[in-house]
Amino acid sequence: DTGVSQNPRHKITKRGQNVTFRCDPISEHNRLYWYRQTLGQGPEFLTYFQNEAQLEKSRLLSDRFSAERPKGSFSTLEIQRTEQGDSAMYLCASVRGGLDTGELFFGEGSRLTVL
Amino acid sequence: AQRVTQPEKLLSVFKGAPVELKCNYSYSGSPELFWYVQYSRQRLQLLLRHISRESIKGFTADLNKGETSFHLKKPFAQEEDSAMYYCAPFSSNTGKLIFGQGTTLQVKP
Repeated sequence: DTGVSQNPRHKITKRGQNVTFRCDPISEHNRLYWYRQTLGQGPEFLTYFQNEAQLEKSRLLSDRFSAERPKGSFSTLEIQRTEQGDSAMYLCASVRGGLDTGELFFGEGSRLTVL
Repeated sequence: AQRVTQPEKLLSVFKGAPVELKCNYSYSGSPELFWYVQYSRQRLQLLLRHISRESIKGFTADLNKGETSFHLKKPFAQEEDSAMYYCAPFSSNTGKLIFGQGTTLQVKP
């Protein structure tokens, strides 16, 4: 087991384009989180899944952001009509078990640069 | 509102000096408190949780519910402790782990 895997590691795109990031959690981890981190800030919660169900989505997240986890395994985060303000590191994390622990295992992140 | 405050963006000490990274939180209910660490060019990882009450890499953290603080301490800093440290409360009601802005610890030789 190699831990949480995220792809691509780096993405450069032009403003207005759509981008998609993929996260493969640790196997048998049924909870999966997405965070966004900008320079000098802590990770900001975006959304999380329990199996395939999306349980919460940050109110800070605009409608241009959507996440899916169709079979309860890997997840994708799509950003439509990217803006320069979307430039950030997007982190994925997974957790084994139920809703009673904050022991997250993080991936290395996907860095987005919007030109 | 749920809020985590790490007042120091940068803490610089010499090797062997004591270290205290401050964390204050404002949270409804009784959150579980964590410290996460990110070393240079490595992924974010768990350092310790208040429930376990254990010492990891010489670090300890005491939860003070009265002051709503969860400061991270180490009596003698080492150069390899240089990293970014994040305080993070977790709510089992919401399933969310919220991070502070982080403190960069720089341990000089």
